[in-house]
Amino acid sequence: AQRVTQPEKLLSVFKGAPVELKCNYSYSGSPELFWYVQYSRQRLQLLLRHISRESIKGFTADLNKGETSFHLKKPFAQEEDSAMYYCALRAGATNKLIFGTGTLLAVQP
Amino acid sequence: DAGVIQSPRHEVTEMGQEVTLRCKPISGHDYLFWYRQTMMRGLELLIYFNNNVPIDDSGMPEDRFSAKMPNASFSTLKIQPSEPRDSAVYFCASSLSGWNSPLHFGNGTRLTVT
Repeated sequence: AQRVTQPEKLLSVFKGAPVELKCNYSYSGSPELFWYVQYSRQRLQLLLRHISRESIKGFTADLNKGETSFHLKKPFAQEEDSAMYYCALRAGATNKLIFGTGTLLAVQP
Repeated sequence: DAGVIQSPRHEVTEMGQEVTLRCKPISGHDYLFWYRQTMMRGLELLIYFNNNVPIDDSGMPEDRFSAKMPNASFSTLKIQPSEPRDSAVYFCASSLSGWNSPLHFGNGTRLTVT
């Protein structure tokens, strides 16, 4: 079965602390993984995708096929990073995205 | 481009009533998705269309839910009859073809069924 697991509903850190939002997936084939973010009063939007190996707003995520993980990391959290973060899996040659339950990141001043 | 447009933004209705949610995708996008967001289950895919044709409706919870896409610029999600457990935020999203095309989401419709 195709599944995305985000074990933490809430992650609270202080400004300047490192952040790691966990994401694990279940898929037998070759996955495409994404992180989407929803800031307060804004639309859900794409943050980054593993295929691009990009760093967006200081965030990076590495696909670890051995651990079936795609954790989102940032070395120094900022208050403006406070948002809801969703990990998503595209399984197979479709445009269908399967999302996790989301993690609310709260960065305290 | 105004992006994906959903209406209404908020809907409050009584149990047993029919509810219709509307979505206008981004012009030129040929995929349209309906998702439901709840605290417990996160974002669940209900149904998606490609070129106005329903491709996968396995996420539609029950026969009370139905979705249509009569043309490339409009889709509806209908719940009849509605129940309190249907209370959630319903998102519509659209995308271009191509495995790497991102989803563009609307602002969502917050549905409350009393």
